[in-house]
Amino acid sequence: DAKTTQPNSMESNEEEPVHLPCNHSTISGTDYIHWYRQLPSQGPEYVIHGLTSNVNNRMASLAIAEDRKSSTLILHRATLRDAAVYYCILRRRDDKIIFGKGTRLHILP
Amino acid sequence: DAGITQSPRHKVTETGTPVTLRCHQTENHRYMYWYRQDPGHGLRLIHYSYGVKDTDKGEVSDGYSVSRSKTEDFLLTLESATSSQTSVYFCATSPWGAGGTDTQYFGPGTRLTVL
Repeated sequence: DAKTTQPNSMESNEEEPVHLPCNHSTISGTDYIHWYRQLPSQGPEYVIHGLTSNVNNRMASLAIAEDRKSSTLILHRATLRDAAVYYCILRRRDDKIIFGKGTRLHILP
Repeated sequence: DAGITQSPRHKVTETGTPVTLRCHQTENHRYMYWYRQDPGHGLRLIHYSYGVKDTDKGEVSDGYSVSRSKTEDFLLTLESATSSQTSVYFCATSPWGAGGTDTQYFGPGTRLTVL
C-alpha cells in the first residue's frame, strides 16, 4: 500500500491560513491524492483530491509538488470549526481507502 | 452530501448478546462500507459491499457478519458481542468503490459499548 506521512498535530491561529503537509514519496503515476477530515464526534468527510495540478474548491486548496512526492492542504482562513483530524490518502485504481492517523489540527482563538 | 443514517446511534449491550447495526443511504450508491474507529488505530475496514448480496471482508472482519438485501441498507451483525468490539462504528458509501476519483461519504457513527 502506498503510504503517507503527516505530522501528528499542528496549531494555528484563527483567521490565519493553515498549511497541512503530507509526504508520499512512494506515490505512483496513477495515484490520486485525497484529503478527508474528521470533526469531533463526526464521521470523516471528503475535502479535496488531485492528481498533478493544484486544485481549489470551496473548502480548501490542494498544492501538489512538481515531483508529486508531497502535497499541502491549504485552509485559507481557519475558523474554530476547522479544528479536526485531517487525513491525507493515496487512492489507487483498485484499492480501498486506507486511513492513517492523520494530523490533529488545533485552532487557537 | 449523501444521505446516510445509522441506527442506533448509541447502544450498550452485554457480552455474548447479538447486536445488529443498520446503515441506510438515499443516494443509490453501489458501494457500502463498515469501519470501526478505536483510539490509536484510526479507521479500520470491517466489511464492504459492492452490490446487493455482494459483500467482502476488510482487514478486521473476524467476529462480524454483514448483509445487504437492498441497495439502500447495509447491516452489520455481531453474532456474540465481546468487550473488544466496544468501538465507534461508521458506515460509508461511494458511487464506484475504486478508482482514483472515487470518494466516500460517511454516516454519523454508532457508539457501541459491550459490558
